[in-house]
Amino acid sequence: LAKTTQPISMDSYEGQEVNITCSHNNIATNDYITWYQQFPSQGPRFIIQGYKTKVTNEVASLFIPADRKSSTLSLPRVSLSDTAVYYCLVGDYKLSFGAGTTVTVRA
Amino acid sequence: SAVISQKPSRDICQRGTSLTIQCQVDSQVTMMFWYRQQPGQSLTLIATANQGSEATYESGFVIDKFPISRPNLTFSTLTVSNMSPEDSSIYLCSVRAGGPIYEQFFGPGTRLTVL
Repeated sequence: LAKTTQPISMDSYEGQEVNITCSHNNIATNDYITWYQQFPSQGPRFIIQGYKTKVTNEVASLFIPADRKSSTLSLPRVSLSDTAVYYCLVGDYKLSFGAGTTVTVRA
Repeated sequence: SAVISQKPSRDICQRGTSLTIQCQVDSQVTMMFWYRQQPGQSLTLIATANQGSEATYESGFVIDKFPISRPNLTFSTLTVSNMSPEDSSIYLCSVRAGGPIYEQFFGPGTRLTVL
């Protein structure tokens, strides 16, 4: 399983865009990049997944450069309810969670 | 998508005893996973449980301590045996639902405290 590195924490304010970059230098050819969100006392929730280039859904965008050794999760116009831990994972069916990034959104 | 329920939601147990955690899914799924999340930590995969075969355990986890049953495609149990305070954690069940992406759904977790 490829190891991922992401910032421990990030602070932001309501209405701002938050970008979290994850490093995964040892990503394998058949690995996907997936991001999960976890609120206190809840299980993680799938946000977005990509293989290469850019993926966008109703809650986030995922940017993946050509070498796939990193990825950036972009959360547009965050609100207080986006305060959570965000995990970057690389792999297929077996997920290995790293430490995650604690995002704190302030008013 | 998949909706997962777990029982119990929380429990306080005495050391040396065992607790069985149930995981129920609202649809048939092939792959189920059990995770542990210790206080303030990330999730650690305990084992993968596929229906009709023995569970596959990750390094550091053994069947005698964490026996798993998978009697059908919608249900699984994880038993935490001979508990010690170090087993105090949140235990989460997860499934991979069918679809074009590798999306996993997680249950709400079982918060276990061992005294």
